[in-house]
Amino acid sequence: GEDVEQSLFLSVREGDSSVINCTYTDSSSTYLYWYKQEPGAGLQLLTYIFSNMDMKQDQRLTVLLNKKDKHLSLRIADTQTGDSAIYFCAVSGGYNKLIFGAGTRLAVHP
Amino acid sequence: EAGVAQSPRYKIIEKRQSVAFWCNPISGHATLYWYQQILGQGPKLLIQFQNNGVVDDSQLPKDRFSAERLKGVDSTLKIQPAKLEDSAVYLCASSSKSGTGNTGELFFGEGSRLTVL
Repeated sequence: GEDVEQSLFLSVREGDSSVINCTYTDSSSTYLYWYKQEPGAGLQLLTYIFSNMDMKQDQRLTVLLNKKDKHLSLRIADTQTGDSAIYFCAVSGGYNKLIFGAGTRLAVHP
Repeated sequence: EAGVAQSPRYKIIEKRQSVAFWCNPISGHATLYWYQQILGQGPKLLIQFQNNGVVDDSQLPKDRFSAERLKGVDSTLKIQPAKLEDSAVYLCASSSKSGTGNTGELFFGEGSRLTVL
């Protein structure tokens, strides 16, 4: 079945850029997603990219997709303490079913 | 617009007891999902409904878990009897569209945290 892998932890200094990486196995996903989870809360869609795109930019967020290597990344520019959260990569597993990675915990320190 | 509502937020039970979780999706959303999120892991799909029909329940442990969405709106997830390994957050999500040709955004509730002792 579909497998999504992420590094578990990332620590950055406030103001620096953060890059969270994700690899997946199934290349048939139409959309690929980044969700954010803050403590005690549910997941919230952060951004997504259509599979025929290489890059998508949305304010401080940049999503890069390398379909050949099945690699997805999320770059957060000018990372703030409010960006501290768990970030989940997700790919569609057929009929609107999402398969999630284990999540990357982003810690932002002054 | 009201979000996805779940209750209870927290539940502590002993193993072999039963528990039920309730979810009210966003109004008009035809697709409803129950995900299990074990501490330190990503959410895992348990069951997906389209209106009141089951689309996917391949990862639902049917010997102990059951779910229903009788009128195509609210849904209940039940565990009976509970095991220690069922300790997790149970997330309900809904979506306004299903199938291909849409962005597939899921809207999540805050989750119901279950602790089995």
